[in-house]
Amino acid sequence: NAGVTQTPKFQVLKTGQSMTLQCAQDMNHEYMSWYRQDPGMGLRLIHYSVGAGITDQGEVPNGYNVSRSTTEDFPLRLLSAAPSQTSVYFCASSLTNRGNYGYTFGSGTRLTVV
Amino acid sequence: KQEVTQIPAALSVPEGENLVLNCSFTDSAIYNLQWFRQDPGKGLTSLLLIQSSQREQTSGRLNASLDKSSGRSTLYIAASQPGDSATYLCAANAGGTSYGKLTFGQGTILTVHP
Repeated sequence: NAGVTQTPKFQVLKTGQSMTLQCAQDMNHEYMSWYRQDPGMGLRLIHYSVGAGITDQGEVPNGYNVSRSTTEDFPLRLLSAAPSQTSVYFCASSLTNRGNYGYTFGSGTRLTVV
Repeated sequence: KQEVTQIPAALSVPEGENLVLNCSFTDSAIYNLQWFRQDPGKGLTSLLLIQSSQREQTSGRLNASLDKSSGRSTLYIAASQPGDSATYLCAANAGGTSYGKLTFGQGTILTVHP
């Protein structure tokens, strides 16, 4: 049982490049989400999914796309990276959509956009 | 809009002390509240989850309480150890139709020195 796995752990992008941050969970969790963590701003919700084929926006969705074709995977796509997207990204999952049993977080992806 | 505040922002104590970390939230209509630990450069590790109907939860040397009416939660750490040094985050789960929208505090940076 690996929990929530994020890849890569570190990434440097040039402005305008695109990339996909991967997130996979093996706990059969219904709910998955992406957060970004910035100094002084705390963790903020980007996008979330309540099941395969269903996604919605969080607090800071601009510049990011998501899709969820399977229960296990929830990739985050940056179509045209900007320096403002330099951050640490965390994927989280929960057994239920309401988080009755709490949330499990991945170890994060540290992204730098130059 | 839910706002979560953690006090103090930083705390330095000698080994063996009992300590209390505070978390306050503005909207008492929470589903549950979760305490996390984050080590430098790492992900979030869940410590305790308190449901809205509960008053407290305990795990080893950790005890978390919840008072919804006053919008407060505390994390009590008994007999602190240098290994407890980390950032502690609380997160309020709005529940209802706000699926998985955790609102995080800024965290308390704890240093326990030998």
